Amino acid sequence: EVQLVESGGGLVQRGGSLRLSCTASGFTFSNYWLGWVRQAPGKGLEWVAKINQDGSEEYYVDSVKGRFTISRDNAKNSLYLQMESLRAEDTAMFYCARGGGAIWGQGTLVTVSS
Amino acid sequence: DVVMTQSPLSLPVTLGQPASISCRSSQSLLYSDGNTYLNWFQQRPGQSPRRLIYKVSDRDSGVPDRFSGSGSGTDFTLKISRVEAEDVGVYYCMQATQWPHTFGQGTKLEIK
Repeated sequence: EVQLVESGGGLVQRGGSLRLSCTASGFTFSNYWLGWVRQAPGKGLEWVAKINQDGSEEYYVDSVKGRFTISRDNAKNSLYLQMESLRAEDTAMFYCARGGGAIWGQGTLVTVSS
Repeated sequence: DVVMTQSPLSLPVTLGQPASISCRSSQSLLYSDGNTYLNWFQQRPGQSPRRLIYKVSDRDSGVPDRFSGSGSGTDFTLKISRVEAEDVGVYYCMQATQWPHTFGQGTKLEIK
């Protein structure tokens, strides 16, 4: 079964850091672009970052540039999002997604307390 | 950034009746490779989004054929031929032609 499973979310203070992980199974991980999409409580969807198959290209939405870093380990079938200098407005469910959104994980909740 | 505008934002529909959602982009979504990267997603209450349609009109595996997508350039439409109870949720269009990929505001479909 094709699956993405996120972990690493939690409650963090404003200015703090958190590292999200996404573990894939059921497909050849190294063949696909991957990304992180977030959804603030009761709000819409926002694509945060994406990374190409070998990790040589990274893209970020302006609101997280310089604070978030996307990376991947193809040997471990894993995608990561290192988040620094967290703000209250970063509070959201974070989903990992394959390609243009063909497959999504169940999400991991990040709450930034002010 | 490409702005995606959906209408309506709320869509009450009677079971068995058709439904239609419009999505307009602020720029053409035609990419240099000849493809138009416009996707539609369904998010049922309490669930992750699920892709229904990619590249304007290609239906994802397992998606009922009552869902269809059409359009070109900057104007796109998702149609449900006969709404069923399981279709309740929020529908989003998303462009993947340009970075950052951007979503519409979402259309909440409910049963009358």
